Amino acid sequence: AVQLVESGGGLVQPKESLKISCAASGFTFSNAAMYWVRQAPGKGLEWVARIRTKPNNYATYYADSVKGRFTISRDDSKSMVYLQMDNLKTEDTAMYYCTAGLGTTRFAYWGQGTLVTVSS
Amino acid sequence: EIVLTQSPTTMAASPGEKVTLTCRASSSVSYMHWYQQKSGASPKLWIYDTSNRASGVPNRFSGSGSGTSYSLTISSMETEDAATYYCQQWSSNPYTFGAGTKLELK
Repeated sequence: AVQLVESGGGLVQPKESLKISCAASGFTFSNAAMYWVRQAPGKGLEWVARIRTKPNNYATYYADSVKGRFTISRDDSKSMVYLQMDNLKTEDTAMYYCTAGLGTTRFAYWGQGTLVTVSS
Repeated sequence: EIVLTQSPTTMAASPGEKVTLTCRASSSVSYMHWYQQKSGASPKLWIYDTSNRASGVPNRFSGSGSGTSYSLTISSMETEDAATYYCQQWSSNPYTFGAGTKLELK
């Protein structure tokens, strides 16, 4: 079964950095584009970042709200995807979900999320 | 950026009642996805490509629409259907979501 397990969330101060991780299993990770989607407390869903596969040069895409501050990366040998978050702002406080479409153009699978809180 | 507007924002339905949730896009999209999220849980893909039910979704759920107007319909509301439903488009980057419709049990 497909499983996505996020980790690394926590409490950080504004302008600090944090790196969150997602461990994937149950599918051929190297063939799958991966995504991060976030949800601020009591709010809706927001797509954050996308990373494509090796044949697509690991191309990355970002929401305007995080462009230049967040970096998505992957390690196919470990079936891991990461989100490096720099210069964090209070508005980045959210549950961060790792998602996968497995060749489809939809967020078919979701992890349980990891909570990032940015506060002084 | 394509903006998705969901209506209503909140609604309550009685068991057995027919429910229709709508999602309007600011520009035409090729298809729409819907996700169900219950309190404290991760979202789940519910309807994909406008009208296809995801695995395990009861057949009382259906989706329809085209262009800028889409809907999710529950033919007969059940207790377990109380949740927030989000529409989402993949036609244009960024992949935007609607703000959600919170469906409560009356």
